[in-house]
Amino acid sequence: DAGVIQSPRHEVTEMGQEVTLRCKPISGHDYLFWYRQTMMRGLELLIYFNNNVPIDDSGMPEDRFSAKMPNASFSTLKIQPSEPRDSAVYFCASSDPGLFGELFFGEGSRLTVL
Amino acid sequence: GNSVTQMEGPVTLSEEAFLTINCTYTATGYPSLFWYVQYPGEGLQLLLKATKADDKGSNKGFEATYRKETTSFHLEKGSVQVSDSAVYFCAPTSGTYKYIFGTGTRLKVLA
Repeated sequence: DAGVIQSPRHEVTEMGQEVTLRCKPISGHDYLFWYRQTMMRGLELLIYFNNNVPIDDSGMPEDRFSAKMPNASFSTLKIQPSEPRDSAVYFCASSDPGLFGELFFGEGSRLTVL
Repeated sequence: GNSVTQMEGPVTLSEEAFLTINCTYTATGYPSLFWYVQYPGEGLQLLLKATKADDKGSNKGFEATYRKETTSFHLEKGSVQVSDSAVYFCAPTSGTYKYIFGTGTRLKVLA
């Protein structure tokens, strides 16, 4: 299997611009998660989906962040407008309930907002 | 809700030294326990897991035992290698998928 695929791997943008991060989960996995990693706060769960439906978005920092999962093989995380404090590595992960909750992570998207 | 406490890093060891990274947790119900490892520039990957009390997870020479009475899941390795240099995360989950990851423990192994 190809694993969880994220794009872009690196994104540099200017404050105020829209950023869209993309994720393709492992085929057959029912759960999809978006995490943000920073040195100061570690790994934070932003939102997760089950069968394409958002289950818990309590970790989304503010209205500038939105996430969608239009189908089982694709999800996006959008930041509009972006701010320098959004600079972080954003990870997508997927899971199959039959695997006792093991998460499979993508390689991450490193976002730098200038 | 779930929470996890890991020892502060960085931990610096010489090659072939013994490693312990402490992890204690609070969780509702009977959580499954995981250790994940993150190598530089990569995402997290599962290192080992234990799904019930007294289970021992093991992989690549690493071990951890699910201690329900002390709510701990300490990671150990008898002889570390330079290639073990990474960040290690302890993560309990009790079925809600709200994993709580701490900031992790960075391990640096010197040749």
